[in-house]
Amino acid sequence: NAGVMQNPRHLVRRRGQEARLRCSPVKGHSHVYWYRQLPEEGLKFMVYLQKENIIDESGMPKERFSAEFPKEGPSILRIQQVVRGDSAAYFCASHPGLGAYSPLHFGNGTRLTVT
Amino acid sequence: AQSVTQLGSHVSVSEGALVLLRCNYSSSVPPYLFWYVQYPNQGLQLLLKYTTGATLVKGINGFEAEFKKSETSFHLTKPSAHMSDAAEYFCAVSETYGQNFVFGPGTRLSVLP
Repeated sequence: NAGVMQNPRHLVRRRGQEARLRCSPVKGHSHVYWYRQLPEEGLKFMVYLQKENIIDESGMPKERFSAEFPKEGPSILRIQQVVRGDSAAYFCASHPGLGAYSPLHFGNGTRLTVT
Repeated sequence: AQSVTQLGSHVSVSEGALVLLRCNYSSSVPPYLFWYVQYPNQGLQLLLKYTTGATLVKGINGFEAEFKKSETSFHLTKPSAHMSDAAEYFCAVSETYGQNFVFGPGTRLSVLP
């Protein structure tokens, strides 16, 4: 049973470029969460998606950031025109869905470095 | 709104000593509670969870936690620390199972030889 797969593990971008982070949830999980973690800080919620639907994006900056979880394929977190402050570890977690007695399952994260 | 506090951003114990990591939550409904561990450069791994039933929950690696409703607490303990326990520990709460997971700020555990 494959867990949550995130790629790439490490991503280096220059200021102004686009960063695209991918997350394949646990098979059968229809809900995906994205979190950001800065050094020496905890997890900050960004966005919560169900397939083809954004349920809660209250933690995601209104500009430059977007997320999707298409019917087929991985969830994508996109950061346009990256700045140095975007450097962080981005974690994806998946869940079977509302009411399911299951915790969040996390991937190993993508570490984004903006130079 | 639900929230989680973890007292002590950094806890140090000696190898073989008791580990106690504190977690308090606020929730308007009976919560679901979780402890996760994060090793360097890795994602979060579930240690244990409380949903319903027995208030003392046993997890992996010898950890356990007790849900105390009257104290709104879910402290994590381990009788004897091991060097391999050094990591970051996160407490989390969910009011609506499958939505709205809220994480505490984390506690970094150091184990001294």
